[in-house]
Amino acid sequence: TQLLEQSPQFLSIQEGENLTVYCNSSSVFSSLQWYRQEPGEGPVLLVTVVTGGEVKKLKRLTFQFGDARKDSSLHITAAQPGDTGLYLCAGVSTGGSTLGRLYFGRGTQLTVWP
Amino acid sequence: DVKVTQSSRYLVKRTGEKVFLECVQDMDHENMFWYRQDPGLGLRLIYFSYDVKMKEKGDIPEGYSVSREKKERFSLILESASTNQTSMYLCASRSGGAVYEQYFGPGTRLTVT
Repeated sequence: TQLLEQSPQFLSIQEGENLTVYCNSSSVFSSLQWYRQEPGEGPVLLVTVVTGGEVKKLKRLTFQFGDARKDSSLHITAAQPGDTGLYLCAGVSTGGSTLGRLYFGRGTQLTVWP
Repeated sequence: DVKVTQSSRYLVKRTGEKVFLECVQDMDHENMFWYRQDPGLGLRLIYFSYDVKMKEKGDIPEGYSVSREKKERFSLILESASTNQTSMYLCASRSGGAVYEQYFGPGTRLTVT
């Protein structure tokens, strides 16, 4: 079951450009996580957003959680080649038998050219 | 530094073979997970375990089984490998409670020929 729609699937940009990745769902999540994965490695957590409307910044990366806790975005300002990687959003289930389970989007493969 | 290790980075097996993928974490985490990752499909949960000897099916458990005899070790078993099980397999762990960050191993790229 793919609960999270992530877009775009691929993004190829020049160094210095800005970009936004979107993660949308019809389901409400208790929180939403963003991971980054480099070739040959497992995903590594970048940030968790918990409160509806929350905005978190990590240097040039800005993460936002939608007011209804159903969607999120990742914005990168002035992208650099070191930002290249696979970005994954993951919604944390709200409760019941699936409490704490992560539901991943399909990922956005970002390539930043020098 | 937290660490999740997987027994092999690359594995090539023949159709019909029994395959064991091992995962070990050194963080004393209660919860452990097995995912498979395929291009364009993201990470899909195969099985997870919230305690020793406990296991729960994820979204795609068919053709797989798991074993968790010790807290630090979670094994994924392919009883009779098939070509459609060629994939990247990722193990993850997290602590109990309300902190849901998962720590991932480097993955095992399995090819079934």
